[in-house]
Amino acid sequence: HVQLVQSGAEMKRPGASVRVSCRASDYPFTNYGINWVRQAPGQGLEWMGWINPYDGYTKYGQSLQGRVTMTTDTSTSTAYMELKSLRFDDTAVYYCARGCPGSITSCFSHWGQGTLVTVSS
Amino acid sequence: EIVMTQFPVTLSVSAGERATLSCRASQSVGSNLAWYQQKPGQPPRLLMYGASTRATGIPARFSGSGSETEFTLTISSLQSEDFAVYYCQQYKNWPLTFGGGTKVEIK
Repeated sequence: HVQLVQSGAEMKRPGASVRVSCRASDYPFTNYGINWVRQAPGQGLEWMGWINPYDGYTKYGQSLQGRVTMTTDTSTSTAYMELKSLRFDDTAVYYCARGCPGSITSCFSHWGQGTLVTVSS
Repeated sequence: EIVMTQFPVTLSVSAGERATLSCRASQSVGSNLAWYQQKPGQPPRLLMYGASTRATGIPARFSGSGSETEFTLTISSLQSEDFAVYYCQQYKNWPLTFGGGTKVEIK
């Protein structure tokens, strides 16, 4: 069955960078987009961006433009999300989520388990 | 950006009762609307897409309706495992956006 397995929790200082990985299995990796969604403690869901593993094309949310980079490694079916210049309000659980079939803009059919990123001095 | 608004914020319902959750879009999204369920400490789970199509494995007590700007998720007879937070999401346009969520709690 489809699985997305993310890297472990991270604790970072303000101004640092973090990279979260998301390893996909049991489906053709290049056939579906990967989205990244974050959730601050006790808050709702915020879409961060999308990457097409087939050609590396990306689309980022406006609030994170310039600080976020999404990449994929098709040899290992792994997606990466790097967030730079971390701020206290970047503290959140970060999820990768596979897009539903049929459209570039889509729902999210499968989710990773989440990675807690804590920004603290 | 399409703003998604969910109401009520909290819904208190007894087990076995019907729950009706609403989601409104600031502009038309057609039928490009999904619903998710999230329990504490877990990632969201896709319930519905295309406004009214149940995702794989979702029980028939969940149903979705609506189009354009007004959408509804109905749980016909709440089970104990249905108490959770529910989010709507539009995928008509970038940026993809979520509603603020409705918490369904035990009355």
